[in-house]
Amino acid sequence: RLQESGPGLVKPSETLSLTCTVSGGSISSINEHWAWIRQPPGKGLEWIGSISSTGNTYFIPSLKSRVTFSVDTSKNQFSLRMRSVTAADTAVYYCATNVVGPIPGVNWFDPWGQGALVTVSS
Amino acid sequence: DIQMTQSPSSLSASVGDRVSLSCRASQNINNFLNWYQQKPGKAPKLLIYGASSLEGGVPSRFSGSGSGTDFTLTISSLQPEDFGIYYCQQSYRTPTFGQGTKLEIK
Repeated sequence: RLQESGPGLVKPSETLSLTCTVSGGSISSINEHWAWIRQPPGKGLEWIGSISSTGNTYFIPSLKSRVTFSVDTSKNQFSLRMRSVTAADTAVYYCATNVVGPIPGVNWFDPWGQGALVTVSS
Repeated sequence: DIQMTQSPSSLSASVGDRVSLSCRASQNINNFLNWYQQKPGKAPKLLIYGASSLEGGVPSRFSGSGSGTDFTLTISSLQPEDFGIYYCQQSYRTPTFGQGTKLEIK
């Protein structure tokens, strides 16, 4: 239902760009936001941020200055751009549906895309 | 940030065993706690949301409990396909995940 796409290799100081294509549902759903989560090799999970279908964005503070999200409702896609990458940004990047409940705090990630490995190296 | 600490880091158990995995939050998160299972080379899969609600299609041998700062994921009768890494995640504030518990089958 979600599929990441984009370059698997990015040079240091350049921009990482990934797109997630949503199938089998509408990206315009008001009960769903769209999230990016990453996992460095052999390590745990880190939420990068989420975007609503109306374009409201939420970021982890440590990445906020380098990350941009966008949504293309005509293509049922959402995208991540991360500037000035370093080797520390090497990770599997997952897109996921961020299901949002009626009250703050009620939300979870399901389903997830299969993940895209992005390596930062010259 | 709310820190999530899982224990144990790894666990080996036999088929049929009752297994309990722990997750502790650094502050009160009410019941805003989710559990995921990740198998090697695969994306995480949601098991439990809201601390105790079973996601559709997840076997009933999985259950979640707890509120406040202490939470438990229980597998009532371990099956061979239950190996993997289990992560808890709080949604009370900026989402954060625990470091994971690796579950191996003896």
